[in-house]
Amino acid sequence: DIQMTQSPSSLSASIGDRVTITCRASQSISSYLNWYQQNPGKAPKLLIYAASSLHSGVPSRFSGSGSGTDFTLTISSLQPEDFATYYCQQSYSSLGAFGQGTKVEIK
Amino acid sequence: EVELVESGGGLVQPGGSLRLSCAASGFTFSSYWMHWVRQAPGKGLEWVSRVNIDGSRTTYADSVKGRFNILRDNAKNTLYLQTNSLRAEDTALYYCARETGIIVAGGHYYHMDVWGQGTTVTVSS
Repeated sequence: DIQMTQSPSSLSASIGDRVTITCRASQSISSYLNWYQQNPGKAPKLLIYAASSLHSGVPSRFSGSGSGTDFTLTISSLQPEDFATYYCQQSYSSLGAFGQGTKVEIK
Repeated sequence: EVELVESGGGLVQPGGSLRLSCAASGFTFSSYWMHWVRQAPGKGLEWVSRVNIDGSRTTYADSVKGRFNILRDNAKNTLYLQTNSLRAEDTALYYCARETGIIVAGGHYYHMDVWGQGTTVTVSS
């Protein structure tokens, strides 16, 4: 089975900061990689699919890159509503494993 | 409005069973693959199961294989998760999610674009 590993597990940042979260797959998954955002007490929301495609309605400050085993989610200028937990998920196989999550907290 | 509403969660003893339901509205349910994803208290997301549009193809996480069954009733626009032989480690908030995909250069890129609010399963004596 494909394992997904995110880093860091948590980070502290300020409003306006550029934030980068990394996701690594245990084997090559081409561009079969999605990113989700989860606010406390809420269901996850899709941000990015196919590694770099922005989901409808998602602000352009979010971007995704990478292919193969290494992927990145970038928030270009952190906003108050972006303090949340972010998850990557592979869709290369039918067993759609998630990373363990990265919590973005206010510095 | 596109919506998924889960129900059927509750408190159950170890070894017991529950059937979770996910009612879909606002879209053509029978045209979409569907998923169940769970989240233990204070933990991350764990993918559980996936079913194709007519229910003939299913996949499961190793942690639930042989104990859980994913089913769907397209006439009722409802997805189910039959959970059996429940263990304490199955305690979680269970979400259903709609799968949407795109085909690029022969590859099928799927993702979960609509999520319900979840139903809570607590396994405890």
